[in-house]
Amino acid sequence: AQSVTQLGSHVSVSEGALVLLRCNYSSSVPPYLFWYVQYPNQGLQLLLKYTSAATLVKGINGFEAEFKKSETSFHLTKPSAHMSDAAEYFCAVSSSTSYGKLTFGQGTILTVHP
Amino acid sequence: EAGVVQSPRYKIIEKKQPVAFWCNPISGHNTLYWYLQNLGQGPELLIRYENEEAVDDSQLPKDRFSAERLKGVDSTLKIQPAELGDSAVYLCASRSTDTQYFGPGTRLTVL
Repeated sequence: AQSVTQLGSHVSVSEGALVLLRCNYSSSVPPYLFWYVQYPNQGLQLLLKYTSAATLVKGINGFEAEFKKSETSFHLTKPSAHMSDAAEYFCAVSSSTSYGKLTFGQGTILTVHP
Repeated sequence: EAGVVQSPRYKIIEKKQPVAFWCNPISGHNTLYWYLQNLGQGPELLIRYENEEAVDDSQLPKDRFSAERLKGVDSTLKIQPAELGDSAVYLCASRSTDTQYFGPGTRLTVL
């Protein structure tokens, strides 16, 4: 079984500040990990993914995430927040044995203040 | 390349009425998923298709929900009859290798 826990349902930062969204996972097999972003009234857009290659993964819009097996974490960061980053972010896990089935976290709403 | 297309984008119906959602996946993607997203939560898988075969429908409430993917391309998800608790966003996704691509979703409101 796989599961994802996103710590903090709401995160608020100032424009230009560091963005840190936390994700911890549980998986009995080597995981594939994903971050998706969802803007209001839109579908999910892939930000980045980890599929057993480099542990530091760079994605779109300046985001990156680091896979830490010892901590079972895959936190999402961005050095400097922009107003356009305000959205809901979902961490998800799958594996080579799950036939692509994604298990999502509850989501974190990011608010960016001017 | 066109993304995953879903229609309608919004649907408002009275309870006990039927409703259907349509999805056209990205061309060449054999795997198609339907997800349910309740307000404030992450999406949850309803059904997965490999071509025209439903290979994982364990989370689909079969008393009122049905789905089909004729010819292994477009898919339709149906609810009959709809209940108040079915109000949610229904997302369709298709997969290439290890990545799923999502459509914009259909927001269903049941009154």
